Amino acid sequence: DTAVSQTPKYLVTQMGNDKSIKCEQNLGHDTMYWYKQDSKKFLKIMFSYNNKELIINETVPNRFSPKSPDKAHLNLHINSLELGDSAVYFCASSQGRLGGIQPQHFGDGTRLSIL
Amino acid sequence: DQQVKQNSPSLSVQEGRISILNCDYTNSMFDYFLWYKKYPAEGPTFLISISSIKDKNEDGRFTVFLNKSAKHLSLHIVPSQPGDSAVYFCAASESGGKLIFGQGTELSVKP
Repeated sequence: DTAVSQTPKYLVTQMGNDKSIKCEQNLGHDTMYWYKQDSKKFLKIMFSYNNKELIINETVPNRFSPKSPDKAHLNLHINSLELGDSAVYFCASSQGRLGGIQPQHFGDGTRLSIL
Repeated sequence: DQQVKQNSPSLSVQEGRISILNCDYTNSMFDYFLWYKKYPAEGPTFLISISSIKDKNEDGRFTVFLNKSAKHLSLHIVPSQPGDSAVYFCAASESGGKLIFGQGTELSVKP
């Protein structure tokens, strides 16, 4: 049973398009995250939701909009895709608001390539 | 400005020997540190953590050492096994807040 699953695994699309990445966790966790791993391999947090409430919102372009319909799901919608959006996006979850202490469980990533 | 740095992009070790992965940080307010392990095409998985009130934490073959004065931590794997070959990420947080990750060190354990 996959604990944190994100779809699609690969996404290749044209500049200017709008796309979504979905994430679901079956661990019963109440906090979910989106991370971006860029070409330099750093994993950087983008957003975090606790029980559908946005608790971390890093400095990302407002073309990126997270949506949490319930605590088991956190989707990421990206408008007007740009070349610089090419990266691997990871979803993660943990129990409690203290994501810096509780181990986070990661999905396998979505590799987004912008042509 | 990267607050967590892993200055060695790769490390190669013989099976059975010790692997030492290093991590430096700049923010003295960090009070919790974690190591994650990542295989290709998979997400990172939690390995071991340490609070700033300790200087050592051990879990089986894995030991993390923290030197607060030097703002340095290290992960020791003894003995190293081929299955340990992966990318290892160091991460830090302040008061349980967001995790700041290093850029990873790729460990290769040769039989």
